[in-house]
Amino acid sequence: AQSVAQPEDQVNVAEGNPLTVKCTYSVSGNPYLFWYVQYPNRGLQFLLKYITGDNLVKGSYGFEAEFNKSQTSFHLKKPSALVSDSALYFCAVRDGGSTLGRLYFGRGTQLTVWP
Amino acid sequence: SAVISQKPSRDICQRGTSLTIQCQVDSQVTMMFWYRQQPGQSLTLIATANQGSEATYESGFVIDKFPISRPNLTFSTLTVSNMSPEDSSIYLCSIFGQYMNTEAFFGQGTRLTVV
Repeated sequence: AQSVAQPEDQVNVAEGNPLTVKCTYSVSGNPYLFWYVQYPNRGLQFLLKYITGDNLVKGSYGFEAEFNKSQTSFHLKKPSALVSDSALYFCAVRDGGSTLGRLYFGRGTQLTVWP
Repeated sequence: SAVISQKPSRDICQRGTSLTIQCQVDSQVTMMFWYRQQPGQSLTLIATANQGSEATYESGFVIDKFPISRPNLTFSTLTVSNMSPEDSSIYLCSIFGQYMNTEAFFGQGTRLTVV
C-alpha cells in the first residue's frame, strides 16, 4: 500500500534561516514524489518532483528536495526562508509503475516564517 | 502546464440540498480526479473519472452521494448530494499532464459550507 508521512504538523522558522519540511513515504513500485504548496483559499500549487535521476531536485521559489531511497525520505528544504513562504505544504507519492495515476498525500505541514 | 477552471469557488448550502461542482480543462485528458480536503486534513481521493465509463470510487465514497459526470475529455462535474454539515470541505479536481511522469495540476477548489 502507498502512504506518505509528514511527521510535523507545524514548522516555525525565522526569516533568513534555513527550513526543512520532512516527508517519508511507502510505495510498492518506483516512487514518483511531489511537493505542493497551498496558500489560504487557493488550490494546490506544484513546487517540485522527483521521478528519476539526480537525488537533489530544485523547484520553484528556491525550494529543493533530496530523495533518499534508503531512508525512503523526500525532505523539502530552502536555504533562506521568507515570510511569504508561510503556507501549508503537502508531500505526495505515486506508484510510477501504475497507470492509475492517483496521488497519495501526507497530512500537510503548516510552515510559519516569522520576520 | 494545464489550466483548470473550477466553479463555484465557494458556496454555502442548506443541509439536505445538492451542489454540483464543475471542472473545465483547457486540454483533453483521459483521467480526471476529484479530491476532498476536510478542515485541517489532507486530501482524500473521492473518485477517478474516465470519459466514456463510470467513475471509479475509493473506499468510503459512493455514487449515490457523489455522482460524477464525464461527458467529454475536457469537462467533469461532481455533485455532493443530500448534504450534511460533515460534507463541509474543499473539493478539488485534478488532472495529470500529457505524460504519466508529470505532476498533477489542480483546480482552485470549491469551498463548501453546509449549514
